[in-house]
Amino acid sequence: GENVEQHPSTLSVQEGDSAVIKCTYSDSASNYFPWYKQELGKRPQLIIDIRSNVGEKKDQRIAVTLNKTAKHFSLHITETQPEDSAVYFCAASRQGGSYIPTFGRGTSLIVHP
Amino acid sequence: DAGITQSPRHKVTETGTPVTLRCHQTENHRYMYWYRQDPGHGLRLIHYSYGVKDTDKGEVSDGYSVSRSKTEDFLLTLESATSSQTSVYFCATSPGLATNEQFFGPGTRLTVL
Repeated sequence: GENVEQHPSTLSVQEGDSAVIKCTYSDSASNYFPWYKQELGKRPQLIIDIRSNVGEKKDQRIAVTLNKTAKHFSLHITETQPEDSAVYFCAASRQGGSYIPTFGRGTSLIVHP
Repeated sequence: DAGITQSPRHKVTETGTPVTLRCHQTENHRYMYWYRQDPGHGLRLIHYSYGVKDTDKGEVSDGYSVSRSKTEDFLLTLESATSSQTSVYFCATSPGLATNEQFFGPGTRLTVL
């Protein structure tokens, strides 16, 4: 089965800095890579995803990059703000509703004002 | 967010008692999942359902059972609660079409004394 490793487990940055969270996966057949954000006491919510036919995807201050050869993908947050403080989860699976994502263990991002 | 609800939201129980958690969705999503979230472990899949009366085990299914008699309801039962099952439990749903995106409920905090 799929195995997803996520690093770092905790990331502390100053407001305005960039933050990068990295994940590796093991199943070369995986082609769907979502990122979820979970604010304190809230439910996880999808913030961005990437499919294996693209190498990078951006949405305002967040971007995700994918390197299929190396089997790793990363979340980049630029110009961090205190409201970016949350736990971020990466996941990997084959695309299609019958496939269940395997989640990384999460990264706690703390943005200091 | 209002499309997926969980009940109860908080529960304290004693070791050895049975506990049932309910997930209710109004999205008509085909797939439903139960996860537990513990510090350092991320989201771990307990059981999932790919249709009414169709369920299967996840990676941490021991001590748990599920039932889905209607599209909208997915029940998780702890047959005899233990302290190791103290956790936050999240239900999630997925449309089951081309996307694997998961939509999470608000979570249930369960404490087993």
